Amino acid sequence: GNSVTQMEGPVTLSEEAFLTINCTYTATGYPSLFWYVQYPGEGLQLLLKATKADDKGSNKGFEATYRKETTSFHLEKGSVQVSDSAVYFCALSVGSQGNLIFGKGTKLSVKP
Amino acid sequence: EAGVTQFPSHSVIEKGQTVTLRCDPISGHDNLYWYRRVMGKEIKFLLHFVKESKQDESGMPNNRFLAERTGGTYSTLKVQPAELEDSGVYFCASSQERIQGRVRGYTFGSGTRLTVV
Repeated sequence: GNSVTQMEGPVTLSEEAFLTINCTYTATGYPSLFWYVQYPGEGLQLLLKATKADDKGSNKGFEATYRKETTSFHLEKGSVQVSDSAVYFCALSVGSQGNLIFGKGTKLSVKP
Repeated sequence: EAGVTQFPSHSVIEKGQTVTLRCDPISGHDNLYWYRRVMGKEIKFLLHFVKESKQDESGMPNNRFLAERTGGTYSTLKVQPAELEDSGVYFCASSQERIQGRVRGYTFGSGTRLTVV
């Protein structure tokens, strides 16, 4: 079946530290891959996405590359800010229905 | 444009009671989805409407859950009777029609936090 596994949190970093949140997937078809972010008190927001192998999604300094050979879509940011504190969800979508399959989420706390 | 609106934002009810959650999608969005995140677990798909029709309800946990989308506009999700394990955050999302076989990007609501005591 289809599933997403992402690293367990919480992750606590100091401001300007490097961030990596690992995400791997299994899929029966050829998925599109997403990172969603939920800031405190808000809904889920699409952070970035990639729809085919070797695509790199990027937004707000975050990046993730669709690696078909390792079935991974790790999220990275070179220098985190306090405002990046949120819960990050890796997700995939297969087929035309558009249903998303999520990982468990990783809570990130960035300290000044 | 206005976003996806969900209410209530929080609901605390006793086991055995009934609760109805509402979602107002972005105007013109044919696709409407319900998802649920139980504490500490994945966000899981519940069902998908295309206009007023249920396209896929494979994620609905049991027959205590009833979703409707009369007229293809807003949607309600009723839980009757509520059980303790129904506690969690219920998210709604909407998107425009499919383009080239793929649904356009979602817009999520802020969610309804349901606590059953």
